[in-house]
Amino acid sequence: DSGVTQTPKHLITATGQRVTLRCSPRSGDLSVYWYQQSLDQGLQFLIQYYNGEERAKGNILERFSAQQFPDLHSELNLSSLELGDSALYFCASSPNPSGGLYQETQYFGPGTRLLVL
Amino acid sequence: GENVEQHPSTLSVQEGDSAVIKCTYSDSASNYFPWYKQELGKGPQLIIDIRSNVGEKKDQRIAVTLNKTAKHFSLHITETQPEDSAVYFCAATTPQGSSNTGKLIFGQGTTLQVKP
Repeated sequence: DSGVTQTPKHLITATGQRVTLRCSPRSGDLSVYWYQQSLDQGLQFLIQYYNGEERAKGNILERFSAQQFPDLHSELNLSSLELGDSALYFCASSPNPSGGLYQETQYFGPGTRLLVL
Repeated sequence: GENVEQHPSTLSVQEGDSAVIKCTYSDSASNYFPWYKQELGKGPQLIIDIRSNVGEKKDQRIAVTLNKTAKHFSLHITETQPEDSAVYFCAATTPQGSSNTGKLIFGQGTTLQVKP
């Protein structure tokens, strides 16, 4: 158990709908990352938040958005869903930066499996 | 941007044999290289990582080597066991610096099957 929790575990919805995925990072971790895992694209970085602020963006679609709340949990919002959005969505968190050059270890949650019908 | 290539895509070994998975990266500024193991229905789990200031790191049956000149790094698993069967991902990331950013760029994954 990594200490990162994600809800829901599974989500089935229809095209055009909007869903919200939730992530709670490990206790004390300020950084939260979202990744998408699909069969054809592999594991892809979507977005990172650090202490409530967006810090890095990957190939995240404009239909997708995220935020990190004062209690450090994060939500990933997916709207106008398409069949191709069906994938596993992972959240990861990492310890506070030590101020050095190296990335801190990212700990992944169990994921949310999204199926768009 | 960074690109990570991973080979092979599938690997089948007999129990007790060694397994080697290789990755190459494109950005010479990358300095942190973790390896993750993903079992069916679960999230990726870190098994070992290496920073660019060392060439090799070992943890029991698992070792990782890094060749910065050639820009490749490898995962070595010795005395494989059936429970090692899973998908393994390599990843790379560039210096964090003061911006506290740290996106991981993943390889495509290797499905390892250890036959009893």
